[in-house]
Amino acid sequence: GAVVSQHPSWVICKSGTSVKIECRSLDFQATTMFWYRQFPKQSLMLMATSNEGSKATYEQGVEKDKFLINHASLTLSTLTVTSAHPEDSSFYICSAAGTGGRVNTEAFFGQGTRLTVV
Amino acid sequence: SQKIEQNSEALNIQEGKTATLTCNYTNYSPAYLQWYRQDPGRGPVFLLLIRENEKEKRKERLKVTFDTTLKQSLFHITASQPADSATYLCAPTGGDSSYKLIFGSGTRLLVRP
Repeated sequence: GAVVSQHPSWVICKSGTSVKIECRSLDFQATTMFWYRQFPKQSLMLMATSNEGSKATYEQGVEKDKFLINHASLTLSTLTVTSAHPEDSSFYICSAAGTGGRVNTEAFFGQGTRLTVV
Repeated sequence: SQKIEQNSEALNIQEGKTATLTCNYTNYSPAYLQWYRQDPGRGPVFLLLIRENEKEKRKERLKVTFDTTLKQSLFHITASQPADSATYLCAPTGGDSSYKLIFGSGTRLLVRP
Protein backbone atom coordinates (compact mmCIF):
# COMPACT_ATOMS: atom_id res chain seq x y z
CA GLY A 1 0.00 0.00 0.00
CA ALA A 2 0.91 3.65 -0.15
CA VAL A 3 3.30 5.09 2.39
CA VAL A 4 2.73 8.13 4.58
CA SER A 5 5.71 9.27 6.59
CA GLN A 6 5.29 11.38 9.69
CA HIS A 7 8.12 13.15 11.45
CA PRO A 8 9.18 13.36 14.20
CA SER A 9 7.90 10.20 15.86
CA TRP A 10 8.25 11.81 19.25
CA VAL A 11 9.12 15.23 20.60
CA ILE A 12 9.48 16.85 23.99
CA CYS A 13 9.19 20.61 24.18
CA LYS A 14 8.99 23.30 26.80
CA SER A 15 5.73 25.00 27.59
CA GLY A 16 5.25 28.09 25.44
CA THR A 17 7.29 26.89 22.49
CA SER A 18 6.01 25.77 19.10
CA VAL A 19 6.38 22.37 17.51
CA LYS A 20 6.05 21.45 13.85
CA ILE A 21 5.00 17.99 12.70
CA GLU A 22 5.44 16.93 9.08
CA CYS A 23 3.35 14.47 7.13
CA ARG A 24 4.53 13.31 3.72
CA SER A 25 2.91 11.01 1.20
CA LEU A 26 5.88 9.20 -0.31
CA ASP A 27 4.48 7.50 -3.38
CA PHE A 28 1.21 9.20 -4.26
CA GLN A 29 -0.29 12.63 -4.50
CA ALA A 30 -2.58 13.45 -1.61
CA THR A 31 -4.79 16.41 -2.33
CA THR A 32 -6.42 15.91 1.05
CA MET A 33 -4.84 15.08 4.37
CA PHE A 34 -6.47 14.63 7.75
CA TRP A 35 -4.98 15.46 11.16
CA TYR A 36 -6.05 13.59 14.28
CA ARG A 37 -5.27 13.74 17.97
CA GLN A 38 -5.49 10.76 20.27
CA PHE A 39 -5.35 10.82 24.06
CA PRO A 40 -4.47 7.65 25.99
CA LYS A 41 -7.11 4.93 25.76
CA GLN A 42 -9.29 7.13 23.59
CA SER A 43 -10.12 7.07 19.91
CA LEU A 44 -8.77 9.28 17.18
CA MET A 45 -10.39 12.69 17.14
CA LEU A 46 -10.40 14.48 13.81
CA MET A 47 -8.88 17.92 14.23
CA ALA A 48 -8.86 19.27 10.71
CA THR A 49 -8.86 18.49 7.03
CA SER A 50 -6.27 20.09 4.83
CA ASN A 51 -6.55 20.49 1.08
CA GLU A 52 -3.53 21.30 -1.02
CA GLY A 53 -3.33 24.97 -1.80
CA SER A 54 -6.23 26.09 0.36
CA LYS A 55 -7.03 26.78 3.99
CA ALA A 56 -7.65 23.88 6.31
CA THR A 57 -11.11 23.08 7.61
CA TYR A 58 -11.14 22.70 11.37
CA GLU A 59 -13.51 20.62 13.44
CA GLN A 60 -15.65 22.30 16.04
CA GLY A 61 -13.72 23.09 19.19
CA VAL A 62 -10.27 23.00 17.55
CA GLU A 63 -8.46 26.33 17.73
CA LYS A 64 -7.18 27.16 14.28
CA ASP A 65 -4.76 29.78 15.63
CA LYS A 66 -3.20 27.24 17.94
CA PHE A 67 -2.99 24.35 15.50
CA LEU A 68 -1.66 25.79 12.27
CA ILE A 69 -1.98 23.53 9.26
CA ASN A 70 -0.21 24.09 5.98
CA HIS A 71 -0.63 21.93 2.89
CA ALA A 72 1.64 23.61 0.42
CA SER A 73 2.23 20.68 -1.90
CA LEU A 74 0.58 17.45 -2.96
CA THR A 75 2.98 15.44 -0.83
CA LEU A 76 3.46 17.51 2.31
CA SER A 77 1.22 18.81 5.07
CA THR A 78 2.45 20.28 8.34
CA LEU A 79 0.82 20.79 11.71
CA THR A 80 2.34 23.40 14.01
CA VAL A 81 1.29 23.42 17.64
CA THR A 82 1.88 27.01 18.70
CA SER A 83 2.58 28.07 22.27
CA ALA A 84 2.27 24.49 23.42
CA HIS A 85 1.05 23.72 26.92
CA PRO A 86 1.05 20.47 28.90
CA GLU A 87 -2.60 19.85 27.98
CA ASP A 88 -1.52 19.69 24.32
CA SER A 89 0.51 16.58 25.11
CA SER A 90 -1.00 13.86 22.96
CA PHE A 91 -0.47 11.51 20.05
CA TYR A 92 -0.92 13.31 16.72
CA ILE A 93 -1.55 11.30 13.54
CA CYS A 94 -1.95 12.34 9.94
CA SER A 95 -3.58 10.45 7.11
CA ALA A 96 -3.92 10.84 3.39
CA ALA A 97 -6.91 9.48 1.51
CA GLY A 98 -7.03 8.57 -2.14
CA THR A 99 -6.48 11.24 -4.72
CA GLY A 100 -9.08 13.94 -4.32
CA GLY A 101 -9.89 12.82 -0.81
CA ARG A 102 -12.54 10.37 -1.86
CA VAL A 103 -13.66 8.14 0.97
CA ASN A 104 -14.47 5.16 -1.22
CA THR A 105 -10.86 4.09 -0.89
CA GLU A 106 -8.64 3.34 2.06
CA ALA A 107 -6.78 6.04 3.94
CA PHE A 108 -3.09 5.71 4.72
CA PHE A 109 -1.81 6.82 8.10
CA GLY A 110 1.49 8.12 9.32
CA GLN A 111 3.26 6.50 12.24
CA GLY A 112 2.09 9.21 14.62
CA THR A 113 3.95 11.79 16.71
CA ARG A 114 4.01 11.58 20.48
CA LEU A 115 4.15 15.17 21.78
CA THR A 116 5.06 15.81 25.41
CA VAL A 117 5.00 19.37 26.66
CA VAL A 118 6.87 19.94 29.91
CA SER B 1 -25.93 14.57 16.29
CA GLN B 2 -24.00 11.87 14.46
CA LYS B 3 -22.70 9.11 16.65
CA ILE B 4 -20.57 6.01 16.12
CA GLU B 5 -20.68 3.37 18.83
CA GLN B 6 -18.31 0.50 19.37
CA ASN B 7 -18.15 -1.67 22.44
CA SER B 8 -15.72 0.09 24.75
CA GLU B 9 -15.09 -3.03 26.81
CA ALA B 10 -12.29 -5.28 25.63
CA LEU B 11 -13.24 -8.51 23.92
CA ASN B 12 -11.28 -11.38 25.38
CA ILE B 13 -11.39 -14.67 23.47
CA GLN B 14 -9.50 -17.92 23.15
CA GLU B 15 -7.21 -18.54 20.21
CA GLY B 16 -8.99 -20.32 17.38
CA LYS B 17 -12.40 -18.84 18.16
CA THR B 18 -14.23 -16.29 16.07
CA ALA B 19 -14.15 -12.70 17.26
CA THR B 20 -17.17 -10.52 16.43
CA LEU B 21 -17.00 -6.77 16.86
CA THR B 22 -19.93 -4.40 16.46
CA CYS B 23 -20.19 -0.91 15.02
CA ASN B 24 -23.46 0.99 15.33
CA TYR B 25 -24.06 4.44 13.96
CA THR B 26 -26.87 6.95 14.32
CA ASN B 27 -27.87 10.01 12.32
CA TYR B 28 -25.63 8.87 9.47
CA SER B 29 -26.35 7.62 6.00
CA PRO B 30 -22.88 6.50 4.96
CA ALA B 31 -22.13 5.19 1.51
CA TYR B 32 -19.21 3.13 2.84
CA LEU B 33 -17.97 1.69 6.05
CA GLN B 34 -14.30 1.11 6.73
CA TRP B 35 -12.55 -0.98 9.35
CA TYR B 36 -9.03 -0.33 10.62
CA ARG B 37 -6.67 -1.97 13.04
CA GLN B 38 -4.57 0.07 15.46
CA ASP B 39 -1.69 -1.23 17.56
CA PRO B 40 -0.49 0.76 20.60
CA GLY B 41 1.57 3.79 19.63
CA ARG B 42 0.97 3.30 15.91
CA GLY B 43 -1.27 4.78 13.26
CA PRO B 44 -4.31 2.79 12.08
CA VAL B 45 -3.97 0.31 9.25
CA PHE B 46 -6.77 -0.23 6.74
CA LEU B 47 -8.43 -3.65 6.73
CA LEU B 48 -11.67 -3.63 4.75
CA LEU B 49 -14.15 -1.30 3.09
CA ILE B 50 -17.75 -2.28 2.40
CA ARG B 51 -20.22 -0.36 0.27
CA GLU B 52 -23.81 0.34 1.20
CA ASN B 53 -25.07 -1.95 -1.54
CA GLU B 54 -22.91 -4.84 -0.32
CA LYS B 55 -24.22 -7.08 2.42
CA GLU B 56 -20.97 -8.85 3.14
CA LYS B 57 -17.30 -8.68 2.27
CA ARG B 58 -14.49 -11.12 3.00
CA LYS B 59 -10.73 -10.97 3.02
CA GLU B 60 -8.83 -14.04 4.19
CA ARG B 61 -9.95 -14.59 7.83
CA LEU B 62 -11.87 -11.32 7.96
CA LYS B 63 -15.54 -10.79 7.21
CA VAL B 64 -17.55 -7.59 7.37
CA THR B 65 -21.30 -7.13 7.11
CA PHE B 66 -23.17 -3.89 6.57
CA ASP B 67 -26.85 -3.53 7.44
CA THR B 68 -28.06 -0.08 6.47
CA THR B 69 -31.50 -0.76 7.95
CA LEU B 70 -30.09 -1.59 11.38
CA LYS B 71 -27.32 1.00 10.88
CA GLN B 72 -24.83 -1.59 11.95
CA SER B 73 -21.67 -3.29 10.76
CA LEU B 74 -20.26 -6.50 12.17
CA PHE B 75 -16.57 -7.38 11.88
CA HIS B 76 -15.58 -11.02 12.25
CA ILE B 77 -12.14 -12.59 12.61
CA THR B 78 -12.27 -16.36 12.23
CA ALA B 79 -9.64 -18.71 13.62
CA SER B 80 -8.33 -15.86 15.74
CA GLN B 81 -4.65 -15.71 16.69
CA PRO B 82 -2.80 -13.85 19.47
CA ALA B 83 -1.34 -11.64 16.72
CA ASP B 84 -4.87 -10.38 16.05
CA SER B 85 -4.83 -8.65 19.44
CA ALA B 86 -5.25 -4.93 18.74
CA THR B 87 -7.85 -2.18 18.75
CA TYR B 88 -10.29 -2.23 15.85
CA LEU B 89 -11.87 0.97 14.62
CA CYS B 90 -14.84 1.49 12.33
CA ALA B 91 -15.51 4.57 10.23
CA PRO B 92 -18.75 5.20 8.32
CA THR B 93 -17.85 7.44 5.41
CA GLY B 94 -19.21 9.05 2.30
CA GLY B 95 -22.87 9.75 1.77
CA ASP B 96 -23.96 12.54 4.01
CA SER B 97 -20.77 12.34 6.06
CA SER B 98 -19.04 13.53 2.95
CA TYR B 99 -15.29 13.17 2.76
CA LYS B 100 -14.47 13.09 6.45
CA LEU B 101 -12.95 9.99 7.99
CA ILE B 102 -14.31 9.90 11.54
CA PHE B 103 -13.80 6.91 13.76
CA GLY B 104 -15.70 5.13 16.46
CA SER B 105 -14.08 4.73 19.87
CA GLY B 106 -12.69 1.34 18.91
CA THR B 107 -12.90 -2.08 20.52
CA ARG B 108 -9.83 -3.73 21.98
CA LEU B 109 -9.50 -7.41 21.11
CA LEU B 110 -7.38 -9.75 23.23
CA VAL B 111 -6.77 -13.24 21.89
CA ARG B 112 -5.45 -15.64 24.52
CA PRO B 113 -3.06 -18.40 23.40
